[in-house]
Amino acid sequence: KQEVTQIPAALSVPEGENLVLNCSFTDSAIYNLQWFRQDPGKGLTSLLLIQSSQREQTSGRLNASLDKSSGRSTLYIAASQPGDSATYLCAAPDRGSTLGRLYFGRGTQLTVWP
Amino acid sequence: NAGVTQTPKFQVLKTGQSMTLQCAQDMNHNSMYWYRQDPGMGLRLIYYSASEGTTDKGEVPNGYNVSRLNKREFSLRLESAAPSQTSVYFCASSEAPGMNTEAFFGQGTRLTVV
Repeated sequence: KQEVTQIPAALSVPEGENLVLNCSFTDSAIYNLQWFRQDPGKGLTSLLLIQSSQREQTSGRLNASLDKSSGRSTLYIAASQPGDSATYLCAAPDRGSTLGRLYFGRGTQLTVWP
Repeated sequence: NAGVTQTPKFQVLKTGQSMTLQCAQDMNHNSMYWYRQDPGMGLRLIYYSASEGTTDKGEVPNGYNVSRLNKREFSLRLESAAPSQTSVYFCASSEAPGMNTEAFFGQGTRLTVV
């Protein structure tokens, strides 16, 4: 069974800082990895999907990388803003599976203060 | 574009009562999923449907049944609710089994069993 760990569990930073959120997974034979954002009391919003062939994906101030050999992914947030405050989740599929079943980390709760 | 729609958003049940959570997606996705989210446990897969007409158990299927009514709709039924089923339930969908299986989530159903 795929196991996903996220570090740190919580992060509180002043506005403007560049941030790195970490995600590790146990089974590296995955086809992709997905990052989500969850606001309090809300659903999950997909941020980035990195396919194993891409190694990196960018959307605005967000950049996600994937290193399958080490079982790690990082989410980089540039010039953080108070509106970035949320919980960030990474999710990896079953080893070698394309069925889309996802295993989630417990998330990093981010607070960006003005 | 509505994406993934779940009903109801909130529900309180008494122990032993039954209910059905509804989910519909308008993205013509083949695969659909039900997850539950609990504090300290993260998101866990209950059931999934890789394509219309098929369903399979996830990590925590006990106490639940599902129906893939058609390509758009995937319902989750609690036959005899228990306090341990107090949770937030999320429905998700993705295009198909394959490498580009980006998952999209509904806004959740917050269920309390008393």
